[in-house]
Formats: sequence, structure tokens, C-alpha cells
Amino acid sequence: AQSVTQPDIHITVSEGASLELRCNYSYGATPYLFWYVQSPGQGLQLLLKYFSGDTLVQGIKGFEAEFKRSQSSFNLRKPSVHWSDAAEYFCAVGENDMRFGAGTRLTVKP
Amino acid sequence: DAGITQSPRHKVTETGTPVTLRCHQTENHRYMYWYRQDPGHGLRLIHYSYGVKDTDKGEVSDGYSVSRSKTEDFLLTLESATSSQTSVYFCAISEGIGNQPQHFGDGTRLSIL
Repeated sequence: AQSVTQPDIHITVSEGASLELRCNYSYGATPYLFWYVQSPGQGLQLLLKYFSGDTLVQGIKGFEAEFKRSQSSFNLRKPSVHWSDAAEYFCAVGENDMRFGAGTRLTVKP
Repeated sequence: DAGITQSPRHKVTETGTPVTLRCHQTENHRYMYWYRQDPGHGLRLIHYSYGVKDTDKGEVSDGYSVSRSKTEDFLLTLESATSSQTSVYFCAISEGIGNQPQHFGDGTRLSIL
């Protein structure tokens, strides 16, 4: 069965520092992988997705993610975090019946 | 922003009563989804639709039913609400490439007392 693990419940970084959010998945075939962001009181917004091809994918808001099949990982990165990036981030895997991770809450220190 | 409207945005009701949540889209997308979000669980798929009158179950479909009589509307019904169905419910839509939900509504906070 497909599943997603986000090992970090809460991460705090300083503004301007780099960011990496971890995501590990379990999936029987070549996975469709996604990262979403959720601001308080709002729905989710799709940041980026991986279906096939180049394992480094670029998304919106300066985010990127790298698919590593050998590690079953799809970590999200950003070179320099802005205060507006504070939100909750969700990794997801699958097609119609997608499975989401439990989320990582990002706090940005001034 | 994608045109997705969920109604109501907040609802408080009692155990055993029927509840219907509505999702309305103006994007003419083929796929529509209902998720629930609970602390520590992320989002879990309840049901989804791949066309008018075409629906399928998700991971947590027990106790829920859906209907889609028009492309733009997707209804989620709790026939007899229970306290375990207290949650935030999100509707999402997709054009269908990869079939993943692309746009989400702002959610309905449902409390069942």
C-alpha cells in the first residue's frame, strides 16, 4: 500500500537560511509525487510535482524537490527562506487515491 | 485563484443528524475530490468523482456518500453524523493530467456534538 512519511513535525529556520523538508514514500510502481503548502485557514496549494524524467523538479515560490528512487525520498528545498514561507507543508504520493503525509509545520524566525 | 466555493464554511450540528456539504467549481474540471483533514493525519481522501454521476471511494469513505449531478457541483453527505466525523473538509478539483488535485477550496469546519 502506498504511504508517505514526513519525519519532521515542526521545523524552525531563520529568515534567509536554507530549508530542506524531508519526505519518504512507499509505492509499488514509479510514483507520482507532490508537495503542497497550506497557510492557516486556507486550502492547499500545489508547489510542484514529479511524474517522470528529470529527478530535480522546480516549483513555484522558488522551491525545488529532488526524487531519489534509491532512498524512496522526495525532499523539498529552498535556498533562502522568506518570512512568508511560514506554513504547513505536505508531501503526497499516488494518483486518484493520493496519500498525504501528516505535514511539517515551518516557522521562520526574523 | 481557481473558482472553488465550499458551503457552508462552518457548521455545528448534533450526532445523528444528516449533513450535506457542497462544493461548487467554475473551472469545468473533470475531477473533483473530497478530503478530510485531522491533526496528525494530513489529508485523507473520502470520495472522488471523474465525471457526472461517476464516483469512487477513497481511503476513508465509510459513513459518507457523494453525488455529482452536474459538472460544477459535488456534494458530500453524512447520512447520520457521528462525533468522529468532526473535521475540516476540503474539496479539490483537477483537469485530469496525472489526476492529482490541483486546486483546493478553503475548507468547511464541521463540528458534531
